[in-house]
Amino acid sequence: RKEVEQDPGPFNVPEGATVAFNCTYSNSASQSFFWYRQDCRKEPKLLMSVYSSGNEDGRFTAQLNRASQYISLLIRDSKLSDSATYLCVVKGAPGYSTLTFGKGTMLLVSP
Amino acid sequence: DTGVSQDPRHKITKRGQNVTFRCDPISEHNRLYWYRQTLGQGPEFLTYFQNEAQLEKSRLLSDRFSAERPKGSFSTLEIQRTEQGDSAMYLCASSHTSENPTDTQYFGPGTRLTVL
Repeated sequence: RKEVEQDPGPFNVPEGATVAFNCTYSNSASQSFFWYRQDCRKEPKLLMSVYSSGNEDGRFTAQLNRASQYISLLIRDSKLSDSATYLCVVKGAPGYSTLTFGKGTMLLVSP
Repeated sequence: DTGVSQDPRHKITKRGQNVTFRCDPISEHNRLYWYRQTLGQGPEFLTYFQNEAQLEKSRLLSDRFSAERPKGSFSTLEIQRTEQGDSAMYLCASSHTSENPTDTQYFGPGTRLTVL
């Protein structure tokens, strides 16, 4: 089983749609969770951290379910500029600072 | 620009040649990481430094790869006797030292290596 699994997509949605991405991770000792965004041929950029209580940043909502080892990202009112690959990222137990990335989910928002 | 910088941005080389990449982290960050990303995959961890000490190396880092951070500031990644399978984007990231779980890594623009 891969450490971090995501549906690669692509997800094709019209502007204004709501879209949700899911991710599962295998290491139950993982402590920190993030969503990064990566545009084509660019570096990954932090979109948001994910907390057990859930967190929201504008149109973006992230959720973590530790019992199920599951992370989600919800994007409301999609914009053309949201088109990118969304990487689910897990950081290990305290003392382990490296990040483990999923393969990413591609989102294409069309007019 | 106070972000992570990498040089060169692109490198084309012939199989068997040696290449060296440079990364300059965000100035106040103690930790520096190297990742490799191939098409359709997420970045994969290679190695990381805390100041000048190399603390962890992935099994992906074969004997042909070596990384240094001699003064705890910039880092270099060298690949000797390049192979076509080394073609990838090499990403550098940096972060604070703290073990705060929400501290994360900030990435440079990457060096895209093509081995012919």
